[in-house]
Amino acid sequence: SQTIHQWPATLVQPVGSPLSLECTVEGTSNPNLYWYRQAAGRGLQLLFYSVGIGQISSEVPQNLSASRPQDRQFILSSKKLLLSDSGFYLCAWSNSPDSPLHFGNGTRLTVT
Amino acid sequence: TQLLEQSPQFLSIQEGENLTVYCNSSSVFSSLQWYRQEPGEGPVLLVTVVTGGEVKKLKRLTFQFGDARKDSSLHITAAQPGDTGLYLCAGLSAGGTSYGKLTFGQGTILTVHP
Repeated sequence: SQTIHQWPATLVQPVGSPLSLECTVEGTSNPNLYWYRQAAGRGLQLLFYSVGIGQISSEVPQNLSASRPQDRQFILSSKKLLLSDSGFYLCAWSNSPDSPLHFGNGTRLTVT
Repeated sequence: TQLLEQSPQFLSIQEGENLTVYCNSSSVFSSLQWYRQEPGEGPVLLVTVVTGGEVKKLKRLTFQFGDARKDSSLHITAAQPGDTGLYLCAGLSAGGTSYGKLTFGQGTILTVHP
């Protein structure tokens, strides 16, 4: 069966520090991968999605970037965090663009 | 930009009561998904409705997709404390440049008191 791992679960970082959140999927090949941000436990905002290795689409201009160095690995990064980057970050995968999403358990990021 | 308005934002009810959550849009969606999320976890898919007018039942939960595929509702009968959580609707774009893109509603935080 397919599983998705996301880490760390929680992170507290000072303003201006770098960020690296990792997500890996097991049990499937060539998944579509997504990074979402959820503010205050409400709706989800799509940040990045990827349909293949090295292919990244950005939905919202921001201080963040994403990379997909391997088929089942998706990384969310920042060179310098801002206070406004605080939030709950969710990684997800799907079999195709019109398939339901399978989410990881998220990373709670607090920028101080 | 497609928008999906979800209401109510908050719902606090007693065990045994019925409730309905609505998702409305002016845009047509090829399908609509409902997710449930518990604190500190990722959303989990409950159901996908695809056909206009479709009704799906999952135990005490009834999901309906509007005839025009612009709206959906989730009805819970005899709510239980275990139903507590954040409910999210998400519409899949019907085509064009937005193909395959999922638009999420703002969510409904449901609290069921024993």
